[in-house]
Amino acid sequence: GNSVTQMEGPVTLSEEAFLTINCTYTATGYPSLFWYVQYPGEGLQLLLKATKADDKGSNKGFEATYRKETTSFHLEKGSVQVSDSAVYFCALSNFGNEKLTFGTGTRLTIIP
Amino acid sequence: SQTIHQWPATLVQPVGSPLSLECTVEGTSNPNLYWYRQAAGRGLQLLFYSVGIGQISSEVPQNLSASRPQDRQFILSSKKLLLSDSGFYLCAWSVPSATQETQYFGPGTRLLVL
Repeated sequence: GNSVTQMEGPVTLSEEAFLTINCTYTATGYPSLFWYVQYPGEGLQLLLKATKADDKGSNKGFEATYRKETTSFHLEKGSVQVSDSAVYFCALSNFGNEKLTFGTGTRLTIIP
Repeated sequence: SQTIHQWPATLVQPVGSPLSLECTVEGTSNPNLYWYRQAAGRGLQLLFYSVGIGQISSEVPQNLSASRPQDRQFILSSKKLLLSDSGFYLCAWSVPSATQETQYFGPGTRLLVL
């Protein structure tokens, strides 16, 4: 079956530091991959996605590249801000399947 | 544009009481609809999803049920709440298509069962 594994948090960084949150997946075929972000007290928002191998999703300075050879979709940002503090979820969906499979989430805290 | 609403935003209920959480979507037709639960400090658990009126699929056996009385309305219910039902409940929608779908989430309902 499908599964998503994220690096365990919490992750605490100083403002302007470089961010990487690791995500690897197990799936049959060619899934689409997503990163969602959940700010405190809110629902989830789609941050970025990639639908095929070597695609790069990007939004708000965040990037993630679909690596089929390593079954990974790591989230990166060159310079984080305090406002990036949130929980980040990696997820996948497979062709013809209405459901998303989520990772457990990684809590990120940025300190000034 | 499409919007998704959930209410109430926060709810405190005694053990054994009934529950009804509502989710509505505007600006789209025939959406797929989903209910998730997020327990404190944990990931998302898919509870139910629906591909049409009256069509409900349950992902895990539990104390909860779901109904879809209208195309853009999804209701989560319980006859008798348990302490373990506490959590953050999220509704989501997606556009059915032949390709993988992005899901869009509502603001959530925080439920505390005492």
